[in-house]
Formats: sequence, C-alpha cells, structure tokens
Amino acid sequence: EIVMTQSPATLSVSPGERATLSCRASQSISSNLAWYQQKPGQAPRLLISGASTRATGIPARFSGSGSGTEFTLTISSLQSEDFAVYYCQQYNKWPPLTFGGGTKVEIK
Amino acid sequence: QVQLQQWGAGLLKPSETLSLTCAVSGGSFSDYYWSWIRQPPGKGLEWIGEINHSGSTSYNPSLKSRVTISVDTSKRQFSLRLGSVTAADTAVYYCARWVSTFGGLRWFDPWGQGTLVTVSS
Repeated sequence: EIVMTQSPATLSVSPGERATLSCRASQSISSNLAWYQQKPGQAPRLLISGASTRATGIPARFSGSGSGTEFTLTISSLQSEDFAVYYCQQYNKWPPLTFGGGTKVEIK
Repeated sequence: QVQLQQWGAGLLKPSETLSLTCAVSGGSFSDYYWSWIRQPPGKGLEWIGEINHSGSTSYNPSLKSRVTISVDTSKRQFSLRLGSVTAADTAVYYCARWVSTFGGLRWFDPWGQGTLVTVSS
C-alpha cells in the first residue's frame, strides 16, 4: 500500500497570503496525484489531477507541482472561501487508492 | 450533469450489516468505475472499493473480507454492503464516480452527498 503523508496538519494563514501544502508518497507515484478541497459538511471537491492540472472551474490561484514522491499544492493569495481541509490522493497503484491525512488551512 | 444520490440506514448495532445504495443520474454509467469512500468523524478519507457496469470489482485489502459492492445497470445504481460492523465503522460514507482520461489523469468527481452511518449498541 502506498502511504500518503501530508504536512503540516494545520496551517494558519492570513487572507491574501500564500499557503504551501506538502504531500509525500511512500514510493514513487510519478505524477499520479490528485488534490481535493473539503469544507465542513460537504463532500470533497476536485482541485487538481496529474499533480498539476487544474480541474474545470478551479481558480488560477491554485497550483500543483511535484513528481515522484514529493508534491506541493500552493494557494497564491488566500481568499475567505479557501479556508478548508485539503487532501492529496494517489492513483499510481491500487488497490487501494489512498489519501493523505489532510491539511487544515485556517485563518490566522 | 452527473449527479449521485445515495441512501441507506444511518444507525446500526454492532455485528449488523451496513447497506447503502447510490443512484446515478445523467451522463454515461457504463464508461466509468464507481467507488465508495468513507470518512470517520473528524478524520481523513478511506477508499473502500469500486465497481464498473459489468460487475468488475476492486476492494481495499483492509476491508475486503467484509465488503461487497454490487451494481444494477438497469437502474443505474450501485450498492455497498459491509458486514459485521463495529464502532470503528462509524463514518460518513460517500459514493463517487472514478474518472479516467486517455491522457492518464484520474480523479473522483462527482461525489454523493454523504450518509452518516453510526454503529452503536
């Protein structure tokens, strides 16, 4: 099983600032990584697939990078609606498909 | 626009069987795999398994002995059964479409609304 580890668990950021979230895979997953955003009481929403390809309708302030075992989600200028929990998910090898433990982005 | 609507019992006793169904409206049903994912309260996401229209399945090894996912193509529905539940199975359960593109991109979208299943004596 490929283990996905996200850091930090919680990130405190002021509106307008940049947020950088990390995701590490226990083995190489090439670029087979997706990022999701989840707000309280809602299902996750796809942000990025292929490590760096934004989903339809996702603002350009969200960007993804990385390959192999190290990945980053960057939110260039945090808006109020961006405070949420973010999950990475690998699809290089399954079963099982696996998610990271999540990073909560909270208002500083 | 594809929509997933899910339903099932929300309160179970230990040792009972969890049963949920997800109905797909809009879009193609046969071109995709369909998954179940769960999320314990305050915790992260765990993939349970997937199925396609012909009934081909794949399960999370950690749950495989207790899980059955089935499909009813005529109704555009797929279902989850999880046997011998315990308090550790208390979670919000989601159904989701697993999208795979020719370019190799993959993702879950859309998701159902989620069903909270509580296991308590």
